[in-house]
Amino acid sequence: NAGVTQTPKFQVLKTGQSMTLQCAQDMNHEYMSWYRQDPGMGLRLIHYSVGAGITDQGEVPNGYNVSRSTTEDFPLRLLSAAPSQTSVYFCASSPSGSPTYNEQFFGPGTRLTVL
Amino acid sequence: AQSVAQPEDQVNVAEGNPLTVKCTYSVSGNPYLFWYVQYPNRGLQFLLKYITGDNLVKGSYGFEAEFNKSQTSFHLKKPSALVSDSALYFCAVRAPWAAGNKLTFGGGTRVLVKP
Repeated sequence: NAGVTQTPKFQVLKTGQSMTLQCAQDMNHEYMSWYRQDPGMGLRLIHYSVGAGITDQGEVPNGYNVSRSTTEDFPLRLLSAAPSQTSVYFCASSPSGSPTYNEQFFGPGTRLTVL
Repeated sequence: AQSVAQPEDQVNVAEGNPLTVKCTYSVSGNPYLFWYVQYPNRGLQFLLKYITGDNLVKGSYGFEAEFNKSQTSFHLKKPSALVSDSALYFCAVRAPWAAGNKLTFGGGTRVLVKP
């Protein structure tokens, strides 16, 4: 049971480039989320999904796209990278249903630098 | 809207002394409250949560937290700190009505336990 996995671990992009951050979980969790972590600001929610085919925006969605074609995978796409997107990105998952307040399981993160 | 404040950027404590990390929150309705810990270059790990019931909740690694509704606080405590407790600690809140297990995180508090 690998839990939540993220690839790549590190990435350097030039301004304007696009890329996809991968996230997968093998726990059959319905809920998945993407957060970015910046110093002093904690984690901020980018996008989330309550199940395959269903996604919604979080607190800071601009510049990012997501899709959820399967329960296991939840990729995050940067359409045109900007230096403001330099951050550490975490994917998380949690089971749905009852109870609805389950803790989230986090991946190891992707450290992204945009030059 | 929901929010979390962690008023201390860093807490320094000697090994063996009590450790307290402060957290206050703002949310409509009864909150779901969580503490997570992040070790260097790792993802977040769940420590404990308050949903309902006893105001004192116990979690992993000897940590506990006290929910105080009148003060809207959820401080994390450990009676005797270890050097290995040095890490970044995050408080998070979820409103009961929030879809997709959406969490709002505080900015984090770095704990340094000195031998």
